[in-house]
Amino acid sequence: EDQVTQSPEALRLQEGESSSLNCSYTVSGLRGLFWYRQDPGKGPEFLFTLYSAGEEKEKERLKATLTKKESFLHITAPKPEDSATYLCAVQGASGGSYIPTFGRGTSLIVHP
Amino acid sequence: DTGVSQDPRHKITKRGQNVTFRCDPISEHNRLYWYRQTLGQGPEFLTYFQNEAQLEKSRLLSDRFSAERPKGSFSTLEIQRTEQGDSAMYLCASTVQGAKGNEQFFGPGTRLTVL
Repeated sequence: EDQVTQSPEALRLQEGESSSLNCSYTVSGLRGLFWYRQDPGKGPEFLFTLYSAGEEKEKERLKATLTKKESFLHITAPKPEDSATYLCAVQGASGGSYIPTFGRGTSLIVHP
Repeated sequence: DTGVSQDPRHKITKRGQNVTFRCDPISEHNRLYWYRQTLGQGPEFLTYFQNEAQLEKSRLLSDRFSAERPKGSFSTLEIQRTEQGDSAMYLCASTVQGAKGNEQFFGPGTRLTVL
């Protein structure tokens, strides 16, 4: 069974204070690891897909990296508008299933 | 707007009533997923379709829940005899079929409150 653990559960930063969110996973054959941003009361918004260890992707102040056991979402010089819950999900290759498993998310608050 | 849409956005019902939600996916996406999300949790898989075929259902899914995607386009999720524990955000997502894992695009969700 695929598993995803995100840490920390909550993170408070000052504007401009860079940090990283962690997503640890176990999966039988990784088809893809996904990062989403979710604002309160809204559906998740897709950010990145990573497929293999060593892969990195960037978008504005966000950078996602992947190893064989975990992924990091690095936030550089965050702004208050980056405040949201960040969700990680993995899709494994076992049994031909195309069902992603989500973590519980990290709630990020950036103070001005 | 070419994103995923869901209707209604909010639903308040009394325990024991039936409710139905609708999801319209991105037009070229052939896979459609339903999830349930409660406060402080990630989305929990309920069921998914490839075109009009329902391929998998969660083992945890009560038989009070049923979903359809009759023409491979929009989908409906019905909950019969609602219970207070059904209160949650119901999310729909769509994606295209592929050999790799493909990112899903989510709708805004339907917030269900069972009184």
